[in-house]
Amino acid sequence: NAGVTQTPKFQVLKTGQSMTLQCAQDMNHEYMSWYRQDPGMGLRLIHYSVGAGITDQGEVPNGYNVSRSTTEDFPLRLLSAAPSQTSVYFCASSYSASGRNEQFFGPGTRLTVL
Amino acid sequence: AQSVTQLDSHVSVSEGTPVLLRCNYSSSYSPSLFWYVQHPNKGLQLLLKYTSAATLVKGINGFEAEFKKSETSFHLTKPSAHMSDAAEYFCVVSEWAGANNLFFGTGTRLTVIP
Repeated sequence: NAGVTQTPKFQVLKTGQSMTLQCAQDMNHEYMSWYRQDPGMGLRLIHYSVGAGITDQGEVPNGYNVSRSTTEDFPLRLLSAAPSQTSVYFCASSYSASGRNEQFFGPGTRLTVL
Repeated sequence: AQSVTQLDSHVSVSEGTPVLLRCNYSSSYSPSLFWYVQHPNKGLQLLLKYTSAATLVKGINGFEAEFKKSETSFHLTKPSAHMSDAAEYFCVVSEWAGANNLFFGTGTRLTVIP
């Protein structure tokens, strides 16, 4: 099993550009989510999905879109990048939406917006 | 409302000495509690979790944590630090009902001095 994979590992964007961060998991997990990690702030939830075709907003959803057309993939789209979106982005998955389940994290994407 | 407070942003110990990373939480319901570790430029990995079973929880790499409801604490300990333990540690609380209700602490950076 590859677990949770993310691409790219690093990305530099100019303000106003758009891009998609890719996330895939091969564990047949129902639940997938995106977090951003900023210094001194822990991880904050951006969007999550409890299954294919179902997504919802987390704590900091503004400026991001998601879709879940398959169980395996959960891409995160930045519509018009802003310097405030400079961060490290982590995708995670778990067996179900239950809060008792372990989250499996990808290696992260480090994004810089100039 | 849920929240997590990691009482130390940085802890420094000598190799072979005990490790104590402190975490206090608040939760309106019976919480699940987790400790995750993040090594430099890596994703987060589960160390251990508490989900209303035994209050003393043993995890990987010799770490353990004790759930103390009266003190609303879930401190992480290890009897003897190893150089490979140097990393960032996150305490996480969730309600059992949904993983979207995960709350991350701001992290404690552990430095191990040779």
